[in-house]
Amino acid sequence: IAGITQAPTSQILAAGRRMTLRCTQDMRHNAMYWYRQDLGLGLRLIHYSNTAGTTGKGEVPDGYSVSRANTDDFPLTLASAVPSQTSVYFCASSEQMNTEAFFGQGTRLTVV
Amino acid sequence: GEDVEQSLFLSVREGDSSVINCTYTDSSSTYLYWYKQEPGAGLQLLTYIFSNMDMKQDQRLTVLLNKKDKHLSLRIADTQTGDSAIYFCAESRGNTGKLIFGQGTTLQVKP
Repeated sequence: IAGITQAPTSQILAAGRRMTLRCTQDMRHNAMYWYRQDLGLGLRLIHYSNTAGTTGKGEVPDGYSVSRANTDDFPLTLASAVPSQTSVYFCASSEQMNTEAFFGQGTRLTVV
Repeated sequence: GEDVEQSLFLSVREGDSSVINCTYTDSSSTYLYWYKQEPGAGLQLLTYIFSNMDMKQDQRLTVLLNKKDKHLSLRIADTQTGDSAIYFCAESRGNTGKLIFGQGTTLQVKP
């Protein structure tokens, strides 16, 4: 079934630890995005990628890094997690920038 | 999304119409979207409108765009309990194509 998959579904992480959230899509979409969702703030863009090999910063990039080695995968890394990074993280993809975005089911991350 | 504003909560009775409003600031936005999020789930695209359109209708959904005032609305006719969810408007920034979301409006439908 074509779609976008995130892993893990949820995670509790000790502060200071490194964590990579995985995102894979099989729709051959060029653009991919990472958002965090916090109550009252909606979704805020962390990083995005227009196409394989390129990435860009969103609204709230600090403390996060991404890579786009190929079309399908767009991992998000927290180098040293802090409690303020407790959130629900959504990965999304779209055929091109400016076209419909498809979302994963989200990763609920708790940093303690 | 500090540049996209929505009211946080709307409550309606089943069978009534719901109108969810959104304002945005970037006049170069090319597409404007409405997404629906049910509890514990990701976002699902409901509908979208291109910036050169004033209105788009899709079954029970009507999107109105006032580009002069940078105001977008989503009207749901004959609202059902299954429509209870959080609704997000989003704009696609013209120069970058990034999707910027509002805070989301929680729609509560009472039987």
